[in-house]
Amino acid sequence: DIQMTQSPSAMSASVGDRVSITCRASQGISNHLAWFQQRPGKVPKRLIYASSSLQSGVPSRFSGSGSGTEFTLTISSLQPEDFATYYCLQHDSYPLTFGQGTKVEIK
Amino acid sequence: EVQLLESGGGLVQPGGSLRLTCAASGFNCNNYDMSWVRQAPGKGLEWVSTINRGVNGGTTSYGDSVWGRVTTFRDSSKNTVSLQMNDLRAEDTAVYYCARDRGFDIWGQGTMVTVSS
Repeated sequence: DIQMTQSPSAMSASVGDRVSITCRASQGISNHLAWFQQRPGKVPKRLIYASSSLQSGVPSRFSGSGSGTEFTLTISSLQPEDFATYYCLQHDSYPLTFGQGTKVEIK
Repeated sequence: EVQLLESGGGLVQPGGSLRLTCAASGFNCNNYDMSWVRQAPGKGLEWVSTINRGVNGGTTSYGDSVWGRVTTFRDSSKNTVSLQMNDLRAEDTAVYYCARDRGFDIWGQGTMVTVSS
């Protein structure tokens, strides 16, 4: 099974900060990685697919990068509505696996 | 509008069974991989199962924590995907979401399953 190690598990940041979240895969997954945002009590929403492609309708301050085993989600300028939990997902092979999540809180 | 709507959740006793259904609208779910994902209270997301695309039902894959206790299947005439869950345990308590395609581009609103005596 492919393990996805996401870091950090939580972080405090201020509006306007640049924020980066990392996911490391235990083996290569090409670019078969997606990023999701989940606000409290809400349904997860896909932000990024194929490692770096921006989902339609998602603000351009979100970006993804990486290939193989290391991936990064970056928020260039954190906005109030971005305080949420973020998850990565590898869909290269079964069992599909999520990272443990990163909770982004207000500093 | 492309939508997924889950139903069938509820309270069930340990050892009991439940069938969840995901109704697709705005697209033909036979043309997509369709998955179930769950989220226990206060916890992260966990993949449960996937049925691959295919008119004849498609192949299925299951997570280790549910393997042997759940079955995913399609009803092409109703444009639905279902998750039959048997021998339910307290640790199966979660919100269950269905999601479209291998990369989970569309999610339903979720249905809550509570396993408790």
